[in-house]
Amino acid sequence: AQSVTQPDIHITVSEGASLELRCNYSYGATPYLFWYVQSPGQGLQLLLKYFSGDTLVQGIKGFEAEFKRSQSSFNLRKPSVHWSDAAEYFCAVGNNAGNMLTFGGGTRLMVKP
Amino acid sequence: NAGVTQTPKFRVLKTGQSMTLLCAQDMNHEYMYWYRQDPGMGLRLIHYSVGEGTTAKGEVPDGYNVSRLKKQNFLLGLESAAPSQTSVYFCASSSPDSIQETQYFGPGTRLLVL
Repeated sequence: AQSVTQPDIHITVSEGASLELRCNYSYGATPYLFWYVQSPGQGLQLLLKYFSGDTLVQGIKGFEAEFKRSQSSFNLRKPSVHWSDAAEYFCAVGNNAGNMLTFGGGTRLMVKP
Repeated sequence: NAGVTQTPKFRVLKTGQSMTLLCAQDMNHEYMYWYRQDPGMGLRLIHYSVGEGTTAKGEVPDGYNVSRLKKQNFLLGLESAAPSQTSVYFCASSSPDSIQETQYFGPGTRLLVL
């Protein structure tokens, strides 16, 4: 069975600082990996996704993620955080059939001015 | 183009009452999904549909029923609500045109069961 772990429940960073959110997955085959962001009271918005090819994936809003098969990780990064990045971030792994996403528990990001 | 919409936005039920949550999408997507979101647990798949007239169970289907009578609508029913069903419910849709198409999410329905 597929599973996703986001070890950090809460993270606080200063505006302008760099950010890395951790994601570890368990999946028997080549994983399909996603990062979503959820602003307060909103639905989820896709930041980026990885299917194959280049292991460094660029997304919207200046985010990127790196797939590391040896570490079963797909960490999300941003070089300089803005106050508007405060939100909850979810990592997810998808199955080969394309119809089942398994989400991690989420990481809530707070940004200090 | 509204994307994925959900009604109602918020509802309070008493234990044992029933209700139906409606999800509608205008993107002509084949696949639709219902998730529930609980603190610290991310989103968990309740039921999904890969086309009009078809439904399938997800990770946490007990206590819920679904119907997909029209391609654009996906209904989630609670026949006898329980406090454990207090949650935020999200609907999503996607197209199977290529593997792992993006799922597009609605704004959510917050349900409180007393």
